[in-house]
Amino acid sequence: EVQLVQSGGEVKKPGESLKISCQGSGYRFASYWIAWVRQMPGKGLEWMGIIFPGDSDIRYSPSFQGQVTISADKSISTAYLQWSSLKASDTAIYYCARHQGQQEHIDYWGQGTLVTVSS
Amino acid sequence: EIVMTQSPATLSVSPGERASLSCRASQSFSSNVAWYQQKPGQAPRLLIYRASTRATGVPARFSGSGSGTEFTLTISSLQSEDSAVYYCQQYHNWPPATFGQGTRVEIK
Repeated sequence: EVQLVQSGGEVKKPGESLKISCQGSGYRFASYWIAWVRQMPGKGLEWMGIIFPGDSDIRYSPSFQGQVTISADKSISTAYLQWSSLKASDTAIYYCARHQGQQEHIDYWGQGTLVTVSS
Repeated sequence: EIVMTQSPATLSVSPGERASLSCRASQSFSSNVAWYQQKPGQAPRLLIYRASTRATGVPARFSGSGSGTEFTLTISSLQSEDSAVYYCQQYHNWPPATFGQGTRVEIK
């Protein structure tokens, strides 16, 4: 069974750094693109960027380029999303999601990680 | 960047009635559109991909159609458990694989 299991919720202060994770199981992790999707409180879904763990090919949405860093460690089947300096506006639920292939749909989603940034 | 525009923002439908949700793309492409359902407190769930293919386990009352710039998700006979927000997404050209802003389906 394919599963994407994300790390737990975080409460941080503005200016702090953070790295959240998404561990895949039940399939060959290195062979599928993993995307990160933001959902701000009460709002819609925003596609942030994507990584192919097999060779760490990373593509960012222009809206998120320079704001976050996406990475992966295929040896432990885990993708990451990190911030170097959080802002209150980063408060959101972040989902990781598996794309079925390049230029293919998302077929599996993680359960989401709630990140709260507040002073 | 391809912009996906969904309408209406909210749809109120009686149980057993038909619901039609629209998604318009800012550029024309073939069929690289998916539809997702999101219920409160849950992650999104894949319903339809390649514009018209139902995902595994999705009830037959959900169907997708369209190509070019106009795509439609139809729920043929609305059930109470279909109350949710529905998102379309294009994956024809990324980054980014853009989502529409969502349509909330309410049961009358």
